[in-house]
Amino acid sequence: SQTIHQWPATLVQPVGSPLSLECTVEGTSNPNLYWYRQAAGRGLQLLFYSVGIGQISSEVPQNLSASRPQDRQFILSSKKLLLSDSGFYLCASRGWEGGYTFGSGTRLTVV
Amino acid sequence: AQSVTQLDSQVPVFEEAPVELRCNYSSSVSVYLFWYVQYPNQGLQLLLKYLSGSTLVKGINGFEAEFNKSQTSFHLRKPSVHISDTAEYFCAVTLVSYSSASKIIFGSGTRLSIRP
Repeated sequence: SQTIHQWPATLVQPVGSPLSLECTVEGTSNPNLYWYRQAAGRGLQLLFYSVGIGQISSEVPQNLSASRPQDRQFILSSKKLLLSDSGFYLCASRGWEGGYTFGSGTRLTVV
Repeated sequence: AQSVTQLDSQVPVFEEAPVELRCNYSSSVSVYLFWYVQYPNQGLQLLLKYLSGSTLVKGINGFEAEFNKSQTSFHLRKPSVHISDTAEYFCAVTLVSYSSASKIIFGSGTRLSIRP
């Protein structure tokens, strides 16, 4: 079965600072990978997905970017954080039947 | 395109009472259906899934859901809840055909709060 590792678990960053969140996957090869954001009191918003190395699709225009330098590594970045970037970020990998395995998430607070 | 509607944003229930969390979906083609649970400050955990076969699906922690194609519903139920069931629950749908273009769509979530 798949396991998703996300770090850090919590992060407090000042406005205008850079961001790098990392996600790695175990137990599968060539997975579809996803970044979701969950703002306070709201549902899940799909930010990016990747079907392979170097292949990134963006769902929502925003201050963030994603990269996939290796098959099982997915990185979420920003050059300059905004207050509105605060939220709970989840990495996910898709299984053959369409269900997702999620990481434990990163709580980002931009101050 | 598919969509998912969770009709209740919050459901308060007394401990040991039964609960039903409602989910309706919309799709012109066959779908897979899922329920996920999210405990505070944690990722999402799969509760159960409907892929095919029996319309009554049993999951972890005593939860079950029934797929009703005619009513396009996939309601989640538990006969007796516990304080530890306090969490947010998400219904989700994805197309049966596995392709890079198909994504999983989540409902807006239902916050289940259990009162002693």
